[in-house]
Amino acid sequence: TQLLEQSPQFLSIQEGENLTVYCNSSSVFSSLQWYRQEPGEGPVLLVTVVTGGEVKKLKRLTFQFGDARKDSSLHITAAQTGDTGLYLCAETHRDDKIIFGKGTRLHILP
Amino acid sequence: DSGVTQTPKHLITATGQRVTLRCSPRSGDLSVYWYQQSLDQGLQFLIQYYNGEERAKGNILERFSAQQFPDLHSELNLSSLELGDSALYFCASSVDITNTGELFFGEGSRLTVL
Repeated sequence: TQLLEQSPQFLSIQEGENLTVYCNSSSVFSSLQWYRQEPGEGPVLLVTVVTGGEVKKLKRLTFQFGDARKDSSLHITAAQTGDTGLYLCAETHRDDKIIFGKGTRLHILP
Repeated sequence: DSGVTQTPKHLITATGQRVTLRCSPRSGDLSVYWYQQSLDQGLQFLIQYYNGEERAKGNILERFSAQQFPDLHSELNLSSLELGDSALYFCASSVDITNTGELFFGEGSRLTVL
C-alpha cells in the first residue's frame, strides 16, 4: 500500500522566515495535490502537480514535483501568520481512492 | 465557501446510538467522498460515490454505511457508536469521474460520542 509521508509533522517559525515542507511516497505519483486546512474548516485545494520537475507558484508559495514523481515540496517565502494551518498532500491510487498524508502542522509566530 | 454543505456541524450523542450526517455537493458535482479526521489518524478515506453508485471504498467500518441519492446529496450513517468514533467527518465533492484528486470540502460535522 502506497503511503504518503509528510515532514516535518510540526513546524513553528517566526513571521518573515522561509520554510519548506515535504511529501514523499514509495511509489510514483500520477498527480499530487496540496491542500491547506485551517482550524474548524475543511481542507482547501492549493495546487495540483502532474509533470515530473514541475514548479508552480501561488504568490509566496512554491510547489515542486520531483523529477521521478515520487516526492513534492512546498516552499513558503516570508511566512505570514495567515499561513498558519495544516498542510496536506494527497494522491489518487490506482483503485481510485484519494489518499491524504497526515500533514504538516505549521504555526507562524508574530 | 466551497459550495459543499454539511449538516449538522456539531453532534453529541451516546455510545450505542445511531446518527446520520448529510452532505450536499457543489452544484454540478457528481462525486461525493466521505472522510474521517482524528488527531492521531489524520484524514482517512471512507467511501466515494459517483452519480449514485459506489465507486471506491476505504477503511469504512461495517457499522457505517452511506448512500448517494438521485438529487446527488449523500448521507453517512453511523450506528452502534463507540467512543472511538468521535471525530470530524468531512464530505467532499468533485465534478470529474477521473479522480484527479481535486476535491472541494465541506466544513465538516464534529461528532462527539460520550
